[in-house]
Amino acid sequence: QVQLVQSGAEVKKPGTSVKVSCKASGYTFTNYYIHWVRQAPGQGLEWMGWINPNSGGTNYAQKFQGRVLMTTDTSINTAYMQLSGLTSDDTAIFYCAREWELRGPDSWGQGTLVSVSS
Amino acid sequence: QSALTQPASVSGSPGQSITISCTGTGSNIGYYNLVSWYQQHPGEAPKLIIFEVTKRPSGVSDRFSGSKSGNTASLTISGLQAEDEADYYCCSYAPISTLVFGGGTKLTVL
Repeated sequence: QVQLVQSGAEVKKPGTSVKVSCKASGYTFTNYYIHWVRQAPGQGLEWMGWINPNSGGTNYAQKFQGRVLMTTDTSINTAYMQLSGLTSDDTAIFYCAREWELRGPDSWGQGTLVSVSS
Repeated sequence: QSALTQPASVSGSPGQSITISCTGTGSNIGYYNLVSWYQQHPGEAPKLIIFEVTKRPSGVSDRFSGSKSGNTASLTISGLQAEDEADYYCCSYAPISTLVFGGGTKLTVL
């Protein structure tokens, strides 16, 4: 079955960076885009961007441009999201999710809690 | 892109039907037939329940249906059940292949 398994919770200091991984299984990794979505505590979903594992092409939300880097390692079917310049406002659960042919993200990882505190 | 507009909360009794609206603009919902809806229970990841405005993924109950008129998409849940109590989010494609989510709607089953 399709699974997206994310890395564990992180605690970071302001100004540092975090890198979250998302390991895919149960499908052909390069056939689906990977999206990253943020959810602050008690808040809604916020789209961060996508990466095409087949080409490496990316598209970031304007809000995160210059601060986010999405990559993949197709040899191990894993996507990564790195967010730099962390502030307390970045404290959130980060989800990865796959998408096929503009149908919207259809399978989601379990989420990774990133806490930013001095 | 600004978030799509959803009511903060809706409620209904078991067996009733409810509709959640999602209002965007002519550059997202009004332009693309690429609206999806997600159900999220507390502590869980979102689950896709509607894609391409009206289509249901395999395994999703036919009590869930979607529609669109102009710049507004809607999710209707018929025959409300206790397990439908959750947060619901709409999502649309927007220019330059970006996505935008609604602010979310909390559904309470009375």
